[in-house]
Amino acid sequence: DAMVIQNPRYQVTQFGKPVTLSCSQTLNHNVMYWYQQKSSQAPKLLFHYYDKDFNNEADTPDNFQSRRPNTSFCFLDIRSPGLGDAAMYLCATSPRGAVGEKLFFGSGTQLSVL
Amino acid sequence: SQKIEQNSEALNIQEGKTATLTCNYTNYSPAYLQWYRQDPGRGPVFLLLIRENEKEKRKERLKVTFDTTLKQSLFHITASQPADSATYLCALKLNAGNMLTFGGGTRLMVKP
Repeated sequence: DAMVIQNPRYQVTQFGKPVTLSCSQTLNHNVMYWYQQKSSQAPKLLFHYYDKDFNNEADTPDNFQSRRPNTSFCFLDIRSPGLGDAAMYLCATSPRGAVGEKLFFGSGTQLSVL
Repeated sequence: SQKIEQNSEALNIQEGKTATLTCNYTNYSPAYLQWYRQDPGRGPVFLLLIRENEKEKRKERLKVTFDTTLKQSLFHITASQPADSATYLCALKLNAGNMLTFGGGTRLMVKP
């Protein structure tokens, strides 16, 4: 089945040690998103790609970066994780990014920072 | 500021009853509103979309209403089952862009 796959499901890193989370999709969707969700809170959009066009949310910290080398893959890099970055990171896709399109989410990566 | 409000307290109901969840938003007038289901440790799954010109939308045991005057959407699950236990998130555009903003969700617990 076509889907959005995130790896790993659980990631433990040390304070200040760079970490990369990955996302792949077999849906051939044009738009890919990264959301951060802390416990019992709303998913918060960090950035998104329209194809290769990168769009950063105004309040996304510089510590967070992203790469999309091709249509299928997208990466979230956290350059120097702090304790406050511990969260679930959700990757999502949508076909064209048009108004009203639903999002297709992966299962998320739960990041712990020690 | 523009925001979305969902009841942060868990809703506990008995199996077979109708669950009603609320989503309130401020300021912006969205053209549509979406509802998602999220199970613990998983990503949200899309359930329903309702547009501003639709008062009500149904899908099997689910019903969504959208009152643009009250700036409120209600999400109903009829004949609820323990398998319906999850967190339900509403999502809408809060500005002129196309990006969705999510509410914090309401956790539903259906007891046998």
